[in-house]
Amino acid sequence: EAGVVQSPRYKIIEKKQPVAFWCNPISGHNTLYWYRQNLGQGPELLIRYENEEAVDDSQLPKDRFSAERLKGVDSTLKIQPAELGDSAVYLCASSFTWGILSSTEAFFGQGTRLTVV
Amino acid sequence: DAKTTQPNSMESNEEEPVHLPCNHSTISGTDYIHWYRQLPSQGPEYVIHGLTSNVNNRMASLAIAEDRKSSTLILHRATLRDAAVYYCILRALYNTDKLIFGTGTRLQVFP
Repeated sequence: EAGVVQSPRYKIIEKKQPVAFWCNPISGHNTLYWYRQNLGQGPELLIRYENEEAVDDSQLPKDRFSAERLKGVDSTLKIQPAELGDSAVYLCASSFTWGILSSTEAFFGQGTRLTVV
Repeated sequence: DAKTTQPNSMESNEEEPVHLPCNHSTISGTDYIHWYRQLPSQGPEYVIHGLTSNVNNRMASLAIAEDRKSSTLILHRATLRDAAVYYCILRALYNTDKLIFGTGTRLQVFP
């Protein structure tokens, strides 16, 4: 079975341009996460979805970042306009959550490396 | 969210055991201890988790202190493929399903 699929793997854009990342989670997983990872740091949660509802977006910079998860499956993360400081790896992960219980493990994609010049 | 403390880096020789420590003195009774690792240019991958008792799986063992304020991830025989950043993470049992990553421990394995 395919794991979490992200595209593109790499993206180079000029500052002030828009950019979008796409994520296809593991089939049947109801929880989807977007993380950002700066060089030398651990991943930082941006937003978490349960089905199509964003249940935790407290760390998402809402002035320029947006995300959606239509039909509770695939998700896109958008930045508009991009800034130099947005250069990072953007990771998508998915898991299956049973009611109020936290899931056992999350599965991560390989990430999209964004470079803003 | 309770915090974990790990050494920035550790080294090992191939085929030797590796003990990766983690301190979590503010852990609550319903926090599970999870370990993930991140290979170069890859997303993090789940390694193991536990609550109170020691745990074993095909990848590693997890030893949890009796007071649960610390734990140790044990790789029984390190290989070059185990070179990665290892993250120790606390996850509440209920009502929160996010993983809060620290900076982890970078493990170097020498042939």
